[in-house]
Amino acid sequence: DGGITQSPKYLFRKEGQNVTLSCEQNLNHDAMYWYRQDPGQGLRLIYYSQIVNDFQKGDIAEGYSVSREKKESFPLTVTSAQKNPTAFYLCASTHRGYGEKLFFGSGTQLSVL
Amino acid sequence: AQSVTQLDSQVPVFEEAPVELRCNYSSSVSVYLFWYVQYPNQGLQLLLKYLSGSTLVESINGFEAEFNKSQTSFHLRKPSVHISDTAEYFCAVSDTGGVKTIFGAGTRLFVKA
Repeated sequence: DGGITQSPKYLFRKEGQNVTLSCEQNLNHDAMYWYRQDPGQGLRLIYYSQIVNDFQKGDIAEGYSVSREKKESFPLTVTSAQKNPTAFYLCASTHRGYGEKLFFGSGTQLSVL
Repeated sequence: AQSVTQLDSQVPVFEEAPVELRCNYSSSVSVYLFWYVQYPNQGLQLLLKYLSGSTLVESINGFEAEFNKSQTSFHLRKPSVHISDTAEYFCAVSDTGGVKTIFGAGTRLFVKA
């Protein structure tokens, strides 16, 4: 079945450490997105990419980095510069990105040790 | 810039009662409107969307939403809720020329027996 796979489901970060969240899709979608979800704040856009080797900052990009070397993959790195990384991270994709619905992965819960 | 306001953070309701989840948006351009549902520890799933045409849109599980351009609202309603409708519901907007979807803070619907 086609879909979006996020891994790991749970991740713990030590202070000063960079961690990478994986997102893979086999839907042949062009656009991919990373959102951060905090209780009571909804989803906030971190980064998005419309084509391979190109990506744009969202509303809260500071302390995060991404790459898009393959159409299927859009990993997110939470760097040590992100001082409050504890959140639920959601990856999503769409076919064309213009008013299309978002397909979501099942999320990664990141916590700080 | 666009924004979405969900007027209720939590809505408790008894089973088989009607419910309305309120959503207002702000945008200077034409928009697409969405309602997504999130069950615990999962990603979001599309419930319904408005792109154009009839202002009343329906989902397969009995929810409906009405686009009201003059009031910039897109409220979600269901005439009779079930225990299984307990979830968090997100209203979202994207402009017709862009690729970003902006989400509201979410409304937690809790259906009681």
